[in-house]
Amino acid sequence: DTAVSQTPKYLVTQMGNDKSIKCEQNLGHDTMYWYKQDSKKFLKIMFSYNNKELIINETVPNRFSPKSPDKAHLNLHINSLELGDSAVYFCASSLETGRGGELFFGEGSRLTVL
Amino acid sequence: AQTVTQSQPEMSVQEAETVTLSCTYDTSENNYYLFWYKQPPSRQMILVIRQEAYKQQNATENRFSVNFQKAAKSFSLKISDSQLGDTAMYFCAFSPLYNAGNMLTFGGGTRLMVKP
Repeated sequence: DTAVSQTPKYLVTQMGNDKSIKCEQNLGHDTMYWYKQDSKKFLKIMFSYNNKELIINETVPNRFSPKSPDKAHLNLHINSLELGDSAVYFCASSLETGRGGELFFGEGSRLTVL
Repeated sequence: AQTVTQSQPEMSVQEAETVTLSCTYDTSENNYYLFWYKQPPSRQMILVIRQEAYKQQNATENRFSVNFQKAAKSFSLKISDSQLGDTAMYFCAFSPLYNAGNMLTFGGGTRLMVKP
């Protein structure tokens, strides 16, 4: 059973479109995250979310929005896609918030914007 | 703001030998956590080892160990008896002790190739 699962794993779309990536974790964790990995493999935090609080990296454009229907899910919506949004997006979860807890990652979703 | 630097973009090692990956970081915090994550070709990130800065003893996990030098802000990863399955990208990461959101800052990664 996959602990953190993301769908789709691959997504190819045109500039200007709106797309979503879904993430689910079955670990019972309280906190979920979205990270972006660019073509040079650099990983950057986008959002951290638990059932109380959303923390946004201030450098993330407001075209990106996380939506959490419940504790086990954190979906990523992207509006008006741009070429620079092409990347691998990783969902992650952790049990401990703010205490250096291990992050459990999904397998990533590769987004290609044409 | 914290920064994490991995100065070796790529490294290679012969199977069964030992390799050390470097990581330095910059922070004004006194207490924090440091991590090494592994990303194999399958893409999924996996925790290799974690170090708490207030512990002087270096963390070890089987063939993996760290050399944590707090004053120098250095956190290197040593892989002993390298195996083909160790081939992967390795990322060093930093988290302050009190970190709203538990958001990690990652280094740029080191690509390790283990050769038979």
